[in-house]
Amino acid sequence: DAKTTQPPSMDCAEGRAANLPCNHSTISGNEYVYWYRQIHSQGPQYIIHGLKNNETNEMASLIITEDRKSSTLILPHATLRDTAVYYCIVRASGGGADGLTFGKGTHLIIQP
Amino acid sequence: DSGVTQTPKHLITATGQRVTLRCSPRSGDLSVYWYQQSLDQGLQFLIQYYNGEERAKGNILERFSAQQFPDLHSELNLSSLELGDSALYFCASSPSDLYEQYFGPGTRLTVT
Repeated sequence: DAKTTQPPSMDCAEGRAANLPCNHSTISGNEYVYWYRQIHSQGPQYIIHGLKNNETNEMASLIITEDRKSSTLILPHATLRDTAVYYCIVRASGGGADGLTFGKGTHLIIQP
Repeated sequence: DSGVTQTPKHLITATGQRVTLRCSPRSGDLSVYWYQQSLDQGLQFLIQYYNGEERAKGNILERFSAQQFPDLHSELNLSSLELGDSALYFCASSPSDLYEQYFGPGTRLTVT
C-alpha cells in the first residue's frame, strides 16, 4: 500500500468546515483512499473512501485531486464530538488479504 | 455502535499468564481482523481470518494465536504475557476483503 503523509494536528472552530489534507504521491491506479477516525481510545470508525471521483456521505466529503496524489476530507459543520485522530489510508482495490496500515494520523481538535 | 462486539472490556493479569479475547463480527461479515494498539507502536494489524481460514498475518508474535469458529466469532489467545503486551486490542469485521472494516470497542489488557 502507498505511504500517506498527514499533518500531526489541526484546530477548527465548532460549526466551521474542517478540511483535513492527505498526501499520497505514490498511489497506484488500483488503490483507494480510505479515511477512518478514532475518538479517544474507542475503536476506529470508518468514514468514507474513494478511488478518483469525489465522494460524499452523511458524515463527510472526500475530494481527490485529478492526479490522485492528494486528497482532502471535509467535515462540513464540525462539532466538539468530531475531535479525534483522523487516519488517511491507501489500500488496493479488493483490499488484499491484509489489514489496514495506520500511520500517525491527524489529531483534529474542535474548539468551542 | 458498529455491530462488532468484544469481550471482556478490561482484563488485568500477571506476567506469564495466558488470556483469551473474544470477538463477534457484524451479522453476515465473513472477515475478522485483529489489531493491537499500544502507546509506542500505534495501531498495528495482527492477523485476519476469512470464513474460518487464516488469511493474512501482520506483526503477530509467536506467543499469540487466533482462530475463527464456524459461527464466525473469533478468539485471540495471548500466552506467556509480558509487560509490553499491555495494550488495546481491537477486532474488526467486513463482509470480505473488498470492503471497509468495522471496529469493535476493544479490550484493554493490562499485564502487571
